[in-house]
Amino acid sequence: TQLLEQSPQFLSIQEGENLTVYCNSSSVFSSLQWYRQEPGEGPVLLVTVVTGGEVKKLKRLTFQFGDARKDSSLHITAAQTGDTGLYLCAGPSPSSARQLTFGSGTQLTVLP
Amino acid sequence: DAGITQSPRHKVTETGTPVTLRCHQTENHRYMYWYRQDPGHGLRLIHYSYGVKDTDKGEVSDGYSVSRSKTEDFLLTLESATSSQTSVYFCATEGGRNTIYFGEGSWLTVV
Repeated sequence: TQLLEQSPQFLSIQEGENLTVYCNSSSVFSSLQWYRQEPGEGPVLLVTVVTGGEVKKLKRLTFQFGDARKDSSLHITAAQTGDTGLYLCAGPSPSSARQLTFGSGTQLTVLP
Repeated sequence: DAGITQSPRHKVTETGTPVTLRCHQTENHRYMYWYRQDPGHGLRLIHYSYGVKDTDKGEVSDGYSVSRSKTEDFLLTLESATSSQTSVYFCATEGGRNTIYFGEGSWLTVV
């Protein structure tokens, strides 16, 4: 059982559409991170959210940390083909803050 | 970019043979990690290091060992490779403010 559940697992949309992907847990996290991974490469950190209710924006990407710090969402406005990739959320492991636990990811495909 | 180089990038090996993956970093980061990535499981931590000769186990450490004799190098060894260890292996380092940088991955196939 994954500590962090991501949904949907797969998402295919047309360029220009908006979308939201989710990262949920029954546990409270001190912080959550979002990564994007492109084929054949390692994940790249997009953002870290640390405060319940926090909203961070990165161009067309909006990240929100739930008030109870158990969930997070990533919203993309007017998706572009360059947004295609695997989106992963991660948070400190309950066993050790130095270890990250990852969700299994949302594979996003943006079609031209 | 945290100057992480993994080698080899691709390897096919036979069951029962030893395999060593190398991670080299140029940023003098103290913490280094080895993860494996498998469909449906995301990234899972194998081992990590918090300094030269200081290592600890992660979530899926069975069948793996690590060594760190220099700050810049972190080696992952599969003592006797099994088919269940076919995976993509990522090395990572930790920079400031809990920022994790990943290498480009090593694709290992055990036949």
